[in-house]
Formats: sequence, C-alpha cells, structure tokens
Amino acid sequence: AQSVTQLGSHVSVSEGALVLLRCNYSSSVPPYLFWYVQYPNQGLQLLLKYTTGATLVKGINGFEAEFKKSETSFHLTKPSAHMSDAAEYFCAVSEGGGFKTIFGAGTRLFVKA
Amino acid sequence: KAGVTQTPRYLIKTRGQQVTLSCSPISGHRSVSWYQQTPGQGLQFLFEYFSETQRNKGNFPGRFSGRQFSNSRSEMNVSTLELGDSALYLCASSSGGGDSYTDTQYFGPGTRLTVL
Repeated sequence: AQSVTQLGSHVSVSEGALVLLRCNYSSSVPPYLFWYVQYPNQGLQLLLKYTTGATLVKGINGFEAEFKKSETSFHLTKPSAHMSDAAEYFCAVSEGGGFKTIFGAGTRLFVKA
Repeated sequence: KAGVTQTPRYLIKTRGQQVTLSCSPISGHRSVSWYQQTPGQGLQFLFEYFSETQRNKGNFPGRFSGRQFSNSRSEMNVSTLELGDSALYLCASSSGGGDSYTDTQYFGPGTRLTVL
C-alpha cells in the first residue's frame, strides 16, 4: 500500500532563506509524486509532479523537487523564501490509472520577515 | 475558463441527516475526484468518476456515495451524518484520459460541512 510521510508539521524560515520541505514515500510500484500548496480557505494547487524521466522537477513559483529512488524521497526546495510562500504544503503519491492520490499530513510553512 | 466550482460553500447539518454536495468541473474535463480534509485525518481520497463511471474508490463506509452526470458534473452524498463527518470536502477535475501521469488535477475551493 502506498503511503507518504512528511517530516515536520511546521517549518519556519526567514524571508530570503532556503526552503526545504521533506517527503518520503512508500510504494510497491514506481510512483507518480506530487507537491501541492494550499492557501487558507482555498483548494489545492499543483506545484509540480514527477512521473518519469528527469529526476529534478521544476515547478511553479520557483519551487523544485528531486526524486531519489534510493532514498524513497521527494523533497521540495526553493532557494529564497518569500512572504507569499506561507501556506500548507502537501506531498502526494499516485500509482496511476486514474487519480487515486494519497496525501501526506501536510507541512505548514511560516515565513518570517 | 471558469475553474472548478463547488456548491454550497458552507453547510450545517445535524446528526442523522443526509447531505448532497455538488461539483462542477472545468469545461471539457471528464474526471472528477472527491477528497475529505479534516485536521485529524488530513486529506483522504473518497472516490473518482470518469465518464459517469466510478473508477477508483477510497476506504470510506457505504454512507458516502457519489455519481457523475453526462455533463461531467458530480455529486456526493453522505447519509446518516455523524459528528466525524465534519470536514472540508474538496472536488478536483482533470481533462483528457484522466490519469495522473498525463493530466493535472484542478481543485475547487471546497464545501465546509459542519455536523452538529
């Protein structure tokens, strides 16, 4: 069975600092991996996804993630945090064949001025 | 292009009642998925419909059901409401063949259900 673990329910960074949100997955087959962002009182927005091919995936708003099969990880990074990045971030996995997507518990990102 | 719309946005019900939530996907999208979001359990997949057929189902009791119409609009129904059903219910739609490999899910703002 698939599962996703996000390390750290809350992460706080200073504006301009590196953002690193950690995600590890468990899947019995090669997974499709996603990062979503949720702003207060809104639905989820896809930041980026990995299906096959290049293991470094670039997404919107300057975010990127690297798929590391040996570590079963898919950590999300952004070189320089902006105040507008404050939100909740979800890592997710799907095995394809539709959209049965399993989400991690989420990491709330705080950005300090 | 209009995004995914969900109605109503807020709903208050009492235990034992039933509720129907509606989701209108982006025009041209054929896949609609439903998710439940709670502080305790997080985001959980309920079910997915593609071309009026349920294609995937999560691990929820039979009180939770859904359907999709020929225009791709979808409804989900929860019967005999329990306090634990209080949650944000999110709907997402995708285009094309409706596979996470090729398509992107677009989420609606959700319906906030409170069960008293």
